Amino acid sequence: GAGVSQSPSNKVTEKGKDVELRCDPISGHTALYWYRQSLGQGLEFLIYFQGNSAPDKSGLPSDRFSAERTGGSVSTLTIQRTQQEDSAVYLCASSLRLQGARTGELFFGEGSRLTVL
Amino acid sequence: QQQVKQSPQSLIVQKGGISIINCAYENTAFDYFPWYQQFPGKGPALLIAIRPDVSEKKEGRFTISFNKSAKQFSLHIMDSQPGDSATYFCAAKGTNIHFNKFYFGSGTKLNVKP
Repeated sequence: GAGVSQSPSNKVTEKGKDVELRCDPISGHTALYWYRQSLGQGLEFLIYFQGNSAPDKSGLPSDRFSAERTGGSVSTLTIQRTQQEDSAVYLCASSLRLQGARTGELFFGEGSRLTVL
Repeated sequence: QQQVKQSPQSLIVQKGGISIINCAYENTAFDYFPWYQQFPGKGPALLIAIRPDVSEKKEGRFTISFNKSAKQFSLHIMDSQPGDSATYFCAAKGTNIHFNKFYFGSGTKLNVKP
């Protein structure tokens, strides 16, 4: 597809279960971000992948959260032992590094809405 | 430390009025300042962006004003329309290794009344 694709669009799970959220970035984009957006709130940074560099995990709220990016493309955000406070929309975004390390536009997916009962 | 501070948190404007949203940033290493627009149930989408070599950028009814010395930038929406009702996020990004990711403001929920 032409844009950033996220799946599932909606996920309802029970407290204590593990969930995986998937992001397919725009083809060729080297940078990939995960953000969390609670109801009516701002964008909380979770993790950032840039090319082959070590990911910036500084935003992950606890060790229950992890993410990987395979082959520099698809990324999976995993939340283990989900808690009710994990309920939110998880947004993925990707961008392309332009010539001279200038910044390219950040494109967002439509998000995965997670509800933990 | 919050790198980008945004205000107001919410804004109500009459149709035809001017909407103004302000942001301030901390680090002079930032060199790209975009604004994103988000409608309910959708991901944010780029609205307009500016680099620090200019003080103003205009695209249609949307203008970014940039004050490098004050480390502030603002979004002006002229002739605001009900269809502009959305949440707006400012952001900043640099290219050096310490500030090479996007930092977002906390968002402004704009309601344009008919």
